[in-house]
Amino acid sequence: DTEVTQTPKHLVMGMTNKKSLKCEQHMGHRAMYWYKQKAKKPPELMFVYSYEKLSINESVPSRFSPECPNSSLLNLHLHALQPEDSALYLCASSRKVALAGGSQFFGPGTRLTVL
Amino acid sequence: ELKVEQNPLFLSMQEGKNYTIYCNYSTTSDRLYWYRQDPGKSLESLFVLLSNGAVKQEGRLMASLDTKARLSTLHITAAVHDLSATYFCAVDVRGGGFDSGGGADGLTFGKGTHLIIQP
Repeated sequence: DTEVTQTPKHLVMGMTNKKSLKCEQHMGHRAMYWYKQKAKKPPELMFVYSYEKLSINESVPSRFSPECPNSSLLNLHLHALQPEDSALYLCASSRKVALAGGSQFFGPGTRLTVL
Repeated sequence: ELKVEQNPLFLSMQEGKNYTIYCNYSTTSDRLYWYRQDPGKSLESLFVLLSNGAVKQEGRLMASLDTKARLSTLHITAAVHDLSATYFCAVDVRGGGFDSGGGADGLTFGKGTHLIIQP
């Protein structure tokens, strides 16, 4: 299995809703990532889990909360989002951090719309 | 702060022509990545360049890395319509640029080159 899966593919939510995005990989990768991509812009790194240790981009608002239940799963919990949070949310994984230099494999993304 | 600059940001070219996309980055890194993104789709990994002088080729695409100049190029040979897409270069930032101490890597992307190849 050489792919990263993400659910749901599309999500529409109101500003008062709580929802979660899910990501899964079975490649034995020990690093997983969340990126946010606005239309016609490059992906921006939000969070990194490396060997289940979290690194946070401090510019990301607290209404986004990552969770890594185990090395194969990565969730992104959403609460009280704003319309400007509408974007494509991409999950990625890589074999090993720091020295290996392996590529990051991206999932298909969740297209999120906040009304 | 790491900066990754691509140029051109937009390129329209005819089939059969050759062209090069440039990627400059502002800090020391020995890992440079090229990705392709089709409209509405996710990112597809094209090349991983791990050392100075690295050159990789796949079909009509060839990527190279000069770590001393902090420059990578993506060369397109005899372009065909199917290569129309947005191409991103990306650079590793040790620690993801975040103060984690975990040694985790995150990618910083260039703005992307939107490539249109006319039949």
